[in-house]
Amino acid sequence: QSALTQPRSVSGSPGQSVSISCTGTSSDVGDYNYVSWYQQHPGKAPKLMIYDVTKRPSGVPDRFSGSKSGNTASLTISGLQAEDEADYYCCSYAGSYTYVFGTGTKVTVL
Amino acid sequence: EVQLLEAGGGLVQPGGSLRLSCAASGFTFSISAMNWVRQAPGKGLEWISVISDSGAASYYADSVKGRFTISRDNSKNTLYLQMNSLRAEDTAVYYCAKGITSLEHWGQGTLVTVSS
Repeated sequence: QSALTQPRSVSGSPGQSVSISCTGTSSDVGDYNYVSWYQQHPGKAPKLMIYDVTKRPSGVPDRFSGSKSGNTASLTISGLQAEDEADYYCCSYAGSYTYVFGTGTKVTVL
Repeated sequence: EVQLLEAGGGLVQPGGSLRLSCAASGFTFSISAMNWVRQAPGKGLEWISVISDSGAASYYADSVKGRFTISRDNSKNTLYLQMNSLRAEDTAVYYCAKGITSLEHWGQGTLVTVSS
């Protein structure tokens, strides 16, 4: 149950696009289409942004999109806005009814 | 509106026990799988346990297996986490969260501090 690997930080100017990678193994990200992404502002609870690799919950802007290739999943934020500045975590089903989170990425809007 | 409200956190000595609760409302609790996730101060999220809708099945991360027990009372719409043999490294904000392949709703969390 090792944590999935994410970059520590990414940054971009308003209106730009940024992508966050989430690298796991063939036992988690690579084996299941159950990757989700969470946004967490300081002092707040996480919020679901993407589920089942590519799906967006109701109310999440379509600027947020997800994808997966092999053992790596990605979250892309297009048209970056100030309110997107937050920590982002990926999460994958890892088999045997267990889940593993990523190490987390701080997104900074310049 | 879905609401999840954790309670029961506090300061406990190493080796001690604590029981957290999570009161649910705004959805049909009895048909929803529920989870506990924790976050140590300044650190990332860690999934620790899930329980099936009926409570018949539960699963744990290796880090808490044998020490923590997840349970639920569907008549009270409440989720529990019994934490025994607590260690300093269990210090964290503990969140309850609804969902099975993704965590679609979260509570605001309750802080557990393990220290002498």
